[in-house]
Amino acid sequence: DAGITQSPRYKITETGRQVTLMCHQTWSHSYMFWYRQDLGHGLRLIYYSAAADITDKGEVPDGYVVSRSKTENFPLTLESATRSQTSVYFCASSERVGGTRAYEQYFGPGTRLTVT
Amino acid sequence: AQSVTQPDIHITVSEGASLELRCNYSYGATPYLFWYVQSPGQGLQLLLKYFSGDTLVQGIKGFEAEFKRSQSSFNLRKPSVHWSDAAEYFCAVGVNAGNNRKLIWGLGTSLAVNP
Repeated sequence: DAGITQSPRYKITETGRQVTLMCHQTWSHSYMFWYRQDLGHGLRLIYYSAAADITDKGEVPDGYVVSRSKTENFPLTLESATRSQTSVYFCASSERVGGTRAYEQYFGPGTRLTVT
Repeated sequence: AQSVTQPDIHITVSEGASLELRCNYSYGATPYLFWYVQSPGQGLQLLLKYFSGDTLVQGIKGFEAEFKRSQSSFNLRKPSVHWSDAAEYFCAVGVNAGNNRKLIWGLGTSLAVNP
């Protein structure tokens, strides 16, 4: 059971380049999320998705684009990377069920992105 | 507005000592509450959760948390800390956003364990 995977795990890119971070989950979870984690800011939600072809902005969506053509994949694209986007990026997923399980998020291992 | 506050940015305890990490939330309805742990270089892992019923909930790795509605708190405790508990701990509250379900996160508490 692979769970939720992210690739690449580490990425160094230059300012202005386009970068795509991949997220894949094997549970067929409906909800998927992208966060960035920065010292002093905790986890900040970038985008989330309730199902294939349904996405919504989170707290800090500027400079990012997402798509979700298949339930299991939720790629995050930085259209023109900036140094301020240097961060650790986490993908997460959760089920479409009732009760607390609807809010339980399962996290990938993260991608450490450095923009030079 | 919904929010989660973790008053302690960093805590250091000695191995074998007891631990309490504080979490306060602001949410109008009955909250879904969670504690997650993040070991260095890893993703986040669910420790425990609360919605209703017994206000003292047990989680993995010997952790427990107590919900106190009157104090809007959901503090995490462990009777005897192990060196492997050194990690970042996040408290979160589940909120509805239209048809979506999101978590509002605290900024985390970094736990260091002295041998």
